[in-house]
Amino acid sequence: GNSVTQMEGPVTLSEEAFLTINCTYTATGYPSLFWYVQYPGEGLQLLLKATKADDKGSNKGFEATYRKETTSFHLEKGSVQVSDSAVYFCALSDRSNTGKLIFGQGTTLQVKP
Amino acid sequence: NAGVTQTPKFQVLKTGQSMTLQCAQDMNHNSMYWYRQDPGMGLRLIYYSASEGTTDKGEVPNGYNVSRLNKREFSLRLESAAPSQTSVYFCASLFAGSYGYTFGSGTRLTVV
Repeated sequence: GNSVTQMEGPVTLSEEAFLTINCTYTATGYPSLFWYVQYPGEGLQLLLKATKADDKGSNKGFEATYRKETTSFHLEKGSVQVSDSAVYFCALSDRSNTGKLIFGQGTTLQVKP
Repeated sequence: NAGVTQTPKFQVLKTGQSMTLQCAQDMNHNSMYWYRQDPGMGLRLIYYSASEGTTDKGEVPNGYNVSRLNKREFSLRLESAAPSQTSVYFCASLFAGSYGYTFGSGTRLTVV
């Protein structure tokens, strides 16, 4: 079945450091891929998405490229801020009409001043 | 403000008690979902409703029931709560053909 695997956290970085959070997936067909972010005490928010191979999603300085050959969708940011501290979830959606998402286990990012 | 509203935000139950988690959205979304979030396991789908009048099981439906009362409301019921159901529960909605859920702020449930 479909699945998503994320790098284990927590990830601790200093402000202005480069961020990479790895995400790989297993899926039949051509899923859509997503990154969601969860700030403390809140629900998840969509950060970015990519719906086909080689698409690059971007938002708020974060980027991720849909790599079908490596079944990956790694999240990157060139310079993190303290306000980026949150839990990040990679997710995929198959192309059925149900809209169901399969989530990775989440990666906690802590950015220190 | 438009969005997904979940009630209650916090709840403590004793083993064997029942309760219903409420979810309502005011964005005219077609599809609604219930997930549970547990440490190290991400979010797992309990039940979903792809459209008004339909409901289907997700990955972890045992011990739960749902009702899609109308297009706006989708409730989750625990008939006989167990400690294994201690979790944070999220409701989400989606407009047909679009990408990206809108999530509620969650219900933190503890079963003792």
